[in-house]
Amino acid sequence: GENVEQHPPTLSVQEGDSAVIKCTYSDSASNYFPWYKQELGKRPQLIIDIRSNVGEKKDQRIAVTLNKTAKHFSLHITETQPEDSAVYFCAAPHRGSQGNLIFGKGTKLSVKP
Amino acid sequence: NAGVTQTPKFRVLKTGQSMTLLCAQDMNHEYMYWYRQDPGMGLRLIHYSVGEGTTAKGEVPDGYNVSRLKKQNFLLGLESAAPSQTSVYFCASSYTRQGARTGELFFGEGSRLTVL
Repeated sequence: GENVEQHPPTLSVQEGDSAVIKCTYSDSASNYFPWYKQELGKRPQLIIDIRSNVGEKKDQRIAVTLNKTAKHFSLHITETQPEDSAVYFCAAPHRGSQGNLIFGKGTKLSVKP
Repeated sequence: NAGVTQTPKFRVLKTGQSMTLLCAQDMNHEYMYWYRQDPGMGLRLIHYSVGEGTTAKGEVPDGYNVSRLKKQNFLLGLESAAPSQTSVYFCASSYTRQGARTGELFFGEGSRLTVL
């Protein structure tokens, strides 16, 4: 079915450590994989995305990797800071939803100073 | 340039009451969406619109209606509210379809609805 699985649901790290969040998707035709960050009480905002013609994309301390064969993609945050604490959502388009994004259930990241 | 604006921000309803959430965007976006966010459930698409005068069902459309009479506005209606519709509702817009290079979603601040 239409499915984007995201894990872990919660993640706690020490400031300066790395954090990795993983998502799997079901539609082999999916070709676009965004990550949204939602700080407490705020709106979700796009932080990085990747298309299926590349395997990795980096933007300063965040990176996303994609494995199309295995149908999974991951968000990597290095040198975590307290302001990275938020809920992160992955998403992928699905033909069954008219090409609209299906979101994962979210990962609550807590960075402890 | 306000982006995406939702009103009201908070509302408490009794079961069976009706209400309308208003979403307005000033970015000249063609696409607009209504999502609901529940704890542990992520963002689920209720209805969406690909342009003025159009509407379409998303993942969880039951119990909701929408209208897009003007390009900049997208209204979400609850005709007979139920406790299961207690949620945080987010409106979003995009220049083109999701997944396209200019398909980034821009969200409003959210509207917290409680149905007693």
